[in-house]
Amino acid sequence: DAKTTQPTSMDCAEGRAANLPCNHSTISGNEYVYWYRQIHSQGPQYIIHGLKNNETNEMASLIITEDRKSSTLILPHATLRDTAVYYCIVRVGISNAGNMLTFGGGTRLMVKP
Amino acid sequence: GAVVSQHPSWVICKSGTSVKIECRSLDFQATTMFWYRQFPKQSLMLMATSNEGSKATYEQGVEKDKFLINHASLTLSTLTVTSAHPEDSSFYICSARTRRGETQYFGPGTRLLVL
Repeated sequence: DAKTTQPTSMDCAEGRAANLPCNHSTISGNEYVYWYRQIHSQGPQYIIHGLKNNETNEMASLIITEDRKSSTLILPHATLRDTAVYYCIVRVGISNAGNMLTFGGGTRLMVKP
Repeated sequence: GAVVSQHPSWVICKSGTSVKIECRSLDFQATTMFWYRQFPKQSLMLMATSNEGSKATYEQGVEKDKFLINHASLTLSTLTVTSAHPEDSSFYICSARTRRGETQYFGPGTRLLVL
């Protein structure tokens, strides 16, 4: 699986949009971009994933550049409860036996009042 | 999203005893489940992958005789830490992949403290 690069930490003001970048310059054509987050002392929570098109759900939006070498996770109105470590992971998608998620260091997002 | 549960959420045991952790997918069938371990201030490290009805595949450096994994059904996998020692104290997290294989969901984790 392709490696990803994320900033170690970021701050965001409560109520503002949080934009979390991720570089994945070695991504292959069949690899998806996944985002998870881990709130302190909890298991990771799935946020969103995409292949090449931008995606949006009730939690966030995922913007993938046209060359797919980077992406941005957008939390439109960050709240204090969004404080967490956010992981960007690239992985081959559907039904590959033993194809697991590999976690890097992630970005520690601190939402401040 | 899909729900994965773990039991117990935390456990304290004496050195030398065995501890069993259960992982269940509550509203979907999971042909593949994963076990991760996380030490303080570190990222999640994959320990093993288990497929229903077959033996688990362990990552390099993980002792299969110490960390016994049983994936007996499409909704249940267990991890048994045998003869636990203080260095096994960690946060153990299971994950289950939907049958379609596109998404992995994680349990809430089990915090193990070995005295």
